[in-house]
Amino acid sequence: AQSVAQPEDQVNVAEGNPLTVKCTYSVSGNPYLFWYVQYPNRGLQFLLKYITGDNLVKGSYGFEAEFNKSQTSFHLKKPSALVSDSALYFCAVRPWGKLQFGAGTQVVVTP
Amino acid sequence: GAGVSQSPSNKVTEKGKDVELRCDPISGHTALYWYRQSLGQGLEFLIYFQGNSAPDKSGLPSDRFSAERTGGSVSTLTIQRTQQEDSAVYLCASSLALASGGVVEMFGPGTRLTVL
Repeated sequence: AQSVAQPEDQVNVAEGNPLTVKCTYSVSGNPYLFWYVQYPNRGLQFLLKYITGDNLVKGSYGFEAEFNKSQTSFHLKKPSALVSDSALYFCAVRPWGKLQFGAGTQVVVTP
Repeated sequence: GAGVSQSPSNKVTEKGKDVELRCDPISGHTALYWYRQSLGQGLEFLIYFQGNSAPDKSGLPSDRFSAERTGGSVSTLTIQRTQQEDSAVYLCASSLALASGGVVEMFGPGTRLTVL
């Protein structure tokens, strides 16, 4: 079975500090991994994806994620968080078309 | 339009009533998905349409749920005899596989369903 886990319900970080949102996966074969963000009262937005190639993937809004096969992780990172990054973040794996999402991590960035 | 649209944006209904939720995907997108976002369940896959293939219904939680995609475009998700646990935001997404191997995907704003 394919699945992703987000071990943290919430991450709190001060503006300007590095932000990391953790995700681990369990897939058979090559993983197709994604990060999505959901801002308050707005739809789900694609941030970035890993299909193959370079383990460091750069995405929208200054976010990046590192695929680590040995640790089966795909953590989302941003070097310097903004208050506007406060949102709900979902990690997802895509087996055969459909997305399977993690439970989500609420990011709170304080001024 | 420029994006995926869903209607209604909000729906309040009484337990036992049937509801229909509509999704208008981006023109030309061959794949269409329905997901549900609810407290305690997170984001759940419901059903997936790809071109003319038989839909993947593996995520539908019960036989009260059904979906159609007419003419490879608009999709309707129908919930019969609604229950309070059906209360959630129902998200639609459409996507198109590119010749380059990438995928363009967009989510709609969702329909918030409240079953009283």
